[in-house]
Amino acid sequence: EAGVVQSPRYKIIEKKQPVAFWCNPISGHNTLYWYLQNLGQGPELLIRYENEEAVDDSQLPKDRFSAERLKGVDSTLKIQPAELGDSAVYLCASTQRAGDTGELFFGEGSRLTVL
Amino acid sequence: AQSVTQLDSQVPVFEEAPVELRCNYSSSVSVYLFWYVQYPNQGLQLLLKYLSGSTLVKGINGFEAEFNKSQTSFHLRKPSVHISDTAEYFCAVSDTNAGKSTFGDGTTLTVKP
Repeated sequence: EAGVVQSPRYKIIEKKQPVAFWCNPISGHNTLYWYLQNLGQGPELLIRYENEEAVDDSQLPKDRFSAERLKGVDSTLKIQPAELGDSAVYLCASTQRAGDTGELFFGEGSRLTVL
Repeated sequence: AQSVTQLDSQVPVFEEAPVELRCNYSSSVSVYLFWYVQYPNQGLQLLLKYLSGSTLVKGINGFEAEFNKSQTSFHLRKPSVHISDTAEYFCAVSDTNAGKSTFGDGTTLTVKP
């Protein structure tokens, strides 16, 4: 069974440029998460989807960040425009159903460097 | 609200020595408890989890953890570490109803030969 797939693994951009990250969760997993991981810190939730509905986006900086999961499967996280402080690893995770056991299955992450 | 505190940011240890990575949590609701491991340039993978029942849980790679409700702790232990255990370890709690997970800031375990 394939795990959570993320792309790109690495991205370097100039500040003020846009960037997008893609995530394909494990087949059959209805709940999808985007986490932000700054250097030396644990993951912090940006947004959680139940199927195609964003059920928790309270930590998503909506002035520059957006996300979508149109068909309830794969998802895209976008930043426009990027700022220097956005340099971090963006992790995608999925689980079959939120609250089942709480275990998250993570992708390898997308490392963003903003110059 | 929930929070997780990992008491040691870095733990250096010699190969074959025992190790304990400490984790305290706070929550106003029932939680599940987890330890994840992150190797360089990889995502997090589950080491072990406590959902209910026996307070001593065993995970992969010889790790185990003990849930202590009165002290709100979930410390991770291994009796004899290997070089390959060098990694970042994250303690996490998850709300049993909402499925919202909160992570600690991690402990860097460095195993020296």
